[in-house]
Amino acid sequence: KAGVTQTPRYLIKTRGQQVTLSCSPISGHRSVSWYQQTPGQGLQFLFEYFSETQRNKGNFPGRFSGRQFSNSRSEMNVSTLELGDSALYLCASSLSEGSGNTIYFGEGSWLTVV
Amino acid sequence: QKEVEQNSGPLSVPEGAIASLNCTYSDRGSQSFFWYRQYSGKSPELIMFIYSNGDKEDGRFTAQLNKASQYVSLLIRDSQPSDSATYLCAVNNWDNDMRFGAGTRLTVKP
Repeated sequence: KAGVTQTPRYLIKTRGQQVTLSCSPISGHRSVSWYQQTPGQGLQFLFEYFSETQRNKGNFPGRFSGRQFSNSRSEMNVSTLELGDSALYLCASSLSEGSGNTIYFGEGSWLTVV
Repeated sequence: QKEVEQNSGPLSVPEGAIASLNCTYSDRGSQSFFWYRQYSGKSPELIMFIYSNGDKEDGRFTAQLNKASQYVSLLIRDSQPSDSATYLCAVNNWDNDMRFGAGTRLTVKP
């Protein structure tokens, strides 16, 4: 069974641009969550989607947004990029929502903002 | 106070020794607890999860949970150089709000 797939894997953007990252969950998984990982802040929760609805949101500015499609695939968008947005963006999927569900990570998208 | 706290390390143990990784959490409503391993430049991979107080063993790994004291630990027996990585503790509450610790960097020396 294929794992969580994220595209693109690596990208470089300039300040002020916007970026869209894509995530395909494990087949059958309906919950997708997004995380930002930086050396200074560690892994930080961005948001979680289940059945095309945002179920939970972390403490990030409105420049960070996401959505989920009917096939459970998800995208996240960051507008007006800042240098501090340079990070590894990780998507994770789980079978359903709920605290007992294990999440599985994709390989991540490495974003560099210059 | 951080919600999930881990000693950042680095923790260094000789090959064959037991590595003990600790994690404390602040939310008493936390329901499920996970340990992830992350190699440099890679994404986190699940090692174990635990829901109930006590010990849970899986091969060389043992997770221990004490909800009254709000801590969870991971023991790695017979540590190998390939175990050298950053270990992330994750805690999930009823709102399915997964919080991660900053991670403990483990080095196993041959």
